[in-house]
Amino acid sequence: NAGVTQTPKFRILKIGQSMTLQCTQDMNHNYMYWYRQDPGMGLKLIYYSVGAGITDKGEVPNGYNVSRSTTEDFPLRLELAAPSQTSVYFCASSILAGEINEQFFGPGTRLTVL
Amino acid sequence: GQQVMQIPQYQHVQEGEDFTTYCNSSTTLSNIQWYKQRPGGHPVFLIQLVKSGEVKKQKRLTFQFGEAKKNSSLHITATQTTDVGTYFCAGFGSGGSNYKLTFGKGTLLTVNP
Repeated sequence: NAGVTQTPKFRILKIGQSMTLQCTQDMNHNYMYWYRQDPGMGLKLIYYSVGAGITDKGEVPNGYNVSRSTTEDFPLRLELAAPSQTSVYFCASSILAGEINEQFFGPGTRLTVL
Repeated sequence: GQQVMQIPQYQHVQEGEDFTTYCNSSTTLSNIQWYKQRPGGHPVFLIQLVKSGEVKKQKRLTFQFGEAKKNSSLHITATQTTDVGTYFCAGFGSGGSNYKLTFGKGTLLTVNP
């Protein structure tokens, strides 16, 4: 299993540009998440999905959109990039096993908006 | 909304010394998780605590969940250079959502060999 994969690893955007961060998992997990991590800060939840076709906002959803057409894929869309969106973005997936809900993280996408 | 606070923000120790990081939630948690993130890496799950007063051990790491389910701690005995990284606690709210985590800001541990 590859686990959770993310592309690209790095990206520089100009203000106002748009892009899609890709996330794929091959563990058949029903839950998927997008987080952003700013320096010295914890992870903040942007959006999450409890299954194909179902998405919901997290703590910091403004400026982002998601879709979940398949169990495997959960892309994150930035429509009008702003400097405040400079961050490291992590995708994660999980499946509830009893009471344990271990989240598996991808390697991250480092995004800079200039 | 739910807030999870961690202290200290940074901790530098000599190899062989012990280390403890503390986590406090503004609300009661249904359970709490701990993650480790190596420099430049991604968070990796360490453990989940579910029961009030629960204590779990993983080799040199001891995890505790408070009786009121609002606080937790991670203690590392005799630190090694491989322990370097940021340790995050993350809690699930008690409102029934067992998949939305609120992360603390983490404690960055550095170890002097």
